[in-house]
Amino acid sequence: EAQVTQNPRYLITVTGKKLTVTCSQNMNHEYMSWYRQDPGLGLRQIYYSMNVEVTDKGDVPEGYKVSRKEKRNFPLILESPSPNQTSLYFCASSFGTAGTEAFFGQGTRLTVV
Amino acid sequence: AQSVTQLDSQVPVFEEAPVELRCNYSSSVSVYLFWYVQYPNQGLQLLLKYLSGSTLVKGINGFEAEFNKSQTSFHLRKPSVHISDTAEYFCAVSPSNTGFQKLVFGTGTRLLVSP
Repeated sequence: EAQVTQNPRYLITVTGKKLTVTCSQNMNHEYMSWYRQDPGLGLRQIYYSMNVEVTDKGDVPEGYKVSRKEKRNFPLILESPSPNQTSLYFCASSFGTAGTEAFFGQGTRLTVV
Repeated sequence: AQSVTQLDSQVPVFEEAPVELRCNYSSSVSVYLFWYVQYPNQGLQLLLKYLSGSTLVKGINGFEAEFNKSQTSFHLRKPSVHISDTAEYFCAVSPSNTGFQKLVFGTGTRLLVSP
């Protein structure tokens, strides 16, 4: 089954404790991205990757890091989480051209206390 | 830059009634248009998209949308909704001249279908 898998689904952590949210896709997609979803703001892109070892900032990259060492994986790293990073996070993948469908993971609800 | 406005944050409707969810966009370049749906506790999935051609686009689950270039709108419609259509709906655009995907989402419209 074609899918984007994120882990964990739910996470509560304390300020400053480094964490990683994993994302994996099995569709051989070149393009992967991370979004955060906040009430009244919709989805905003954090980082994206057009292929292995190629990453770039989205609209709200501050406080986040990513890496793309393998085509299927695109982890999101919060080196020192803060309460304003409490949000619902989605990973997405696609073949990357402008008109193609993006496939989304089920989301990771992160709470930073 | 692109922006997307979804004028209604929430739309309550009775089952079997018609519904329209509004979407307007702003862009200095041509864009592709999308509607995504998010069911409770799930990720987003594509409902339909407009790339070119006929301005009336049909999607899954009986939804359709009409692209209106002069009004820069892409409203989503369904003639008769079901309880199972309760979800959040996101309109999105992606510029067509970049060669790669750059989705810009609206703030979403929560559709609440009651019996």
